[in-house]
Amino acid sequence: DADVTQTPRNRITKTGKRIMLECSQTKGHDRMYWYRQDPGLGLRLIYYSFDVKDINKGEISDGYSVSRQAQAKFSLSLESAIPNQTALYFCATSDNSGQYNEQFFGPGTRLTVL
Amino acid sequence: ILNVEQSPQSLHVQEGDSTNFTCSFPSSNFYALHWYRWETAKSPEALFVMTLNGDEKKKGRISATLNTKEGYSYLYIKGSQPEDSATYLCALNTGGFKTIFGAGTRLFVKA
Repeated sequence: DADVTQTPRNRITKTGKRIMLECSQTKGHDRMYWYRQDPGLGLRLIYYSFDVKDINKGEISDGYSVSRQAQAKFSLSLESAIPNQTALYFCATSDNSGQYNEQFFGPGTRLTVL
Repeated sequence: ILNVEQSPQSLHVQEGDSTNFTCSFPSSNFYALHWYRWETAKSPEALFVMTLNGDEKKKGRISATLNTKEGYSYLYIKGSQPEDSATYLCALNTGGFKTIFGAGTRLFVKA
């Protein structure tokens, strides 16, 4: 079984809809991250969390919110989706005792906003 | 704004060819450099973490070198196989949790 899972894997929605993307991990890591990937760009950090109920904004947090109610789960919400949020979204985890912050990724959620 | 550049953006090679690509980063911000391999529809997976100037790492036919003074890393694949087709991401760790990703080099290996 995969250590970091994301649901759904694909989602098509309409402008203005509320969307939630889920991430679960079995690695026992405290740190979790949400990134988005757009063609021609590197992964950009949306939000990150270092512990349950700890929430921190990344470089592109506008239009997104997150929730960390359990160590194993980190959910990303788009309150009112817009077309430029069409992207591939990755969840990742890392061990807070790791010296170089190696990250472990989920398989991604491809979101299309029409 | 820190930038991690990868070149080329994409690369098409024949099975059996050896190939290499580059990751460039600002040397003054270096703490560690990660290489990840990302196959379409799968999770990116760590290949190497490189920390010291002159580091060389190897895993099977894939190897990587690091020059922190001039701010670059090379990834080499010897005798490319179709299963090497993937996007190769490099990521600069500037200390702590902060990681800046390059846009990746997409490799296509034709049988």
